[in-house]
Amino acid sequence: RKEVEQDPGPFNVPEGATVAFNCTYSNSASQSFFWYRQDCRKEPKLLMSVYSSGNEDGRFTAQLNRASQYISLLIRDSKLSDSATYLCVVYTSGTYKYIFGTGTRLKVLA
Amino acid sequence: DAGVIQSPRHEVTEMGQEVTLRCKPISGHNSLFWYRQTMMRGLELLIYFNNNVPIDDSGMPEDRFSAKMPNASFSTLKIQPSEPRDSAVYFCASSLARGPRNTIYFGEGSWLTVV
Repeated sequence: RKEVEQDPGPFNVPEGATVAFNCTYSNSASQSFFWYRQDCRKEPKLLMSVYSSGNEDGRFTAQLNRASQYISLLIRDSKLSDSATYLCVVYTSGTYKYIFGTGTRLKVLA
Repeated sequence: DAGVIQSPRHEVTEMGQEVTLRCKPISGHNSLFWYRQTMMRGLELLIYFNNNVPIDDSGMPEDRFSAKMPNASFSTLKIQPSEPRDSAVYFCASSLARGPRNTIYFGEGSWLTVV
């Protein structure tokens, strides 16, 4: 079983739609969680951290469920510019390791 | 402030040649990571350093791969001899490992093609 698993997609959604991605992780000792965005032929960039209480940044909402060991990302009112691959990242303190999921591709259609 | 700097950005080399990829982490960061990304396998962690010391190299695919970090501002990833299946994007990343909110920052990657 992979340490971090994501549905690869692609998710094709119309502009203005709401879309949600989930990510599961296997190490219950994991402490920090992030969503990264990667555009085609570019490096991954931090989209947002995921806090235990859930957090929101504009149209983006991230949630963490420790009991079920998954994190989610919700994008509201999708824009064409949201088209990218979204990577789930899990960090385990003490190991210094950031483990990335394989990413979920999103394509927002006009 | 400068981000993670990698060189070369693109390299095309013949099978059997030695390849050296270079990385300068963000100043003040004490953790450095080398990742490889391919369509089939996604982002794979090859090796990471903390305070210039290799912590875990279990992701290094074969003995043909080696990495060094002689000081806090420089690291290399070497492939010798290179093979076509090594073709991938190699990312270097750094972070300041000081707590659960630390994030990791990537360089623009080195695009390697082995023919």
